[in-house]
Parts: sequence; structure tokens; C-alpha cells
Amino acid sequence: EVQVVESGGGLVQPGGSLRLSCAASGFTFSSYEMNWVRQAPGKGLEWVSYISSSGSTKYYADSVKGRFTISRDNAKNSLYLQMNSLRAEDTAVYYCARAQRAYYMDVWGKGTTVTVSS
Amino acid sequence: EIVLTQSPATLSLSPGERATLSCRASQSVSSSLAWYQQKPGQAPRLLIYDASNRATGIPARFSGSGSGTDFTLTISSLEPEDFAVYYCQQRSNWPPTFGQGTKLESK
Repeated sequence: EVQVVESGGGLVQPGGSLRLSCAASGFTFSSYEMNWVRQAPGKGLEWVSYISSSGSTKYYADSVKGRFTISRDNAKNSLYLQMNSLRAEDTAVYYCARAQRAYYMDVWGKGTTVTVSS
Repeated sequence: EIVLTQSPATLSLSPGERATLSCRASQSVSSSLAWYQQKPGQAPRLLIYDASNRATGIPARFSGSGSGTDFTLTISSLEPEDFAVYYCQQRSNWPPTFGQGTKLESK
């Protein structure tokens, strides 16, 4: 079965850090681009970050640039999102999504919840 | 950044009826538009890509049309499981952006 499973969310204080992970299975992870997308409570979807299949190309939304870092380990079939200097407005469910042609997202995980609050 | 505006915000229909959802882009995105379905507590699901191509496993009652700035998602005959929130998304210009969503609710 093709799937991705996120983990690593939780409650963190403003200014803190968190590392999200996404474990992929059922497909050749190293052949696919990947994205992180988030959804604040009761709100719509917001693209966060993209990484190419090799990991050599990375893009970020302006709202997280300089604070978040996307990475991947193709040997471990895993995607990561390192989140630093977290703010209340980063509170959201974070989804890992497999990409087709960069930004069409055809496989999604169930998400992991990040809450930034004191 | 391209802004996608979806209408209506909420659509109230009954099973068996035809649903027509609209997505308008602030500038041309050619045919680089996708539609997603999201049910409460679930992840989004890709329905349509490149404006009119159904994703794998998506029933034929879902169809997409349009190009440039105006796009439509049509559900020909609503099934009970189709009541959800629908988002459009463009990949033509960076950054990729989503519409604000249309909630399709059962009347």
C-alpha cells in the first residue's frame, strides 16, 4: 500500500523548535518530489515547502523561509521538516504529501498537529 | 502570488443533484490547476489535475473543466460520500496556492 505517515508534532512554546518526520512506504521514495502542506485550525490549506527527489532543490513559503528546513533521507525513505523560531501562527496540522510534477499532491498522510503556545 | 477565489463558499444540495463549483484565478494559470476533496478529520484527496484529468481511482461523476482563469469542478450526481470541502490549487506560478475552499453540504 502506498502511504506516508507523519510524526513529531506536539505542543511547543513560542520561539521553540520541533522536527517533523514523514515515513514513506509502498513506492520508490527516491523517485518522487515531496511537499509539506499545513492547515491551521478551521482554515484552508497552505503550501509550506518542497524538496526535489534528490534533495538538491528546496523551496519555502515566505511565511517560513529562514525558520524551517526541509530535508530527506532516501536510504531511510524519510522526509523531515525542521521548524525553528516557532510562532503562534505556525499552529496547524502538517501534512506530508507526495508530489507529481512538483506541486500536484497525490498521496497525503493523516497529518501531525503542531501547537505553538505558552 | 496568484490568488484563487472559489465560489460559492457553501453549496447546499441533495443526493442525486448536480454540483458545480467554481475557481477563478487572479491571473492565467493555463491548465495547471488541481482539485482536492477533504472530509472532516481527514487529509485532502487529489481528484483532478491539469484542470480536467481525473486522478487514479476517482469516479467518473467527478469532472473538471476550464483554462486560463476560470475553472469548474462538476459532480454529475451527488453521492452521500461527496459532501465535503473542495479546494482548487494552482501550480503554474510559484508559490503554489490554494483557494479558500467550497463546502458542499447536504440539504
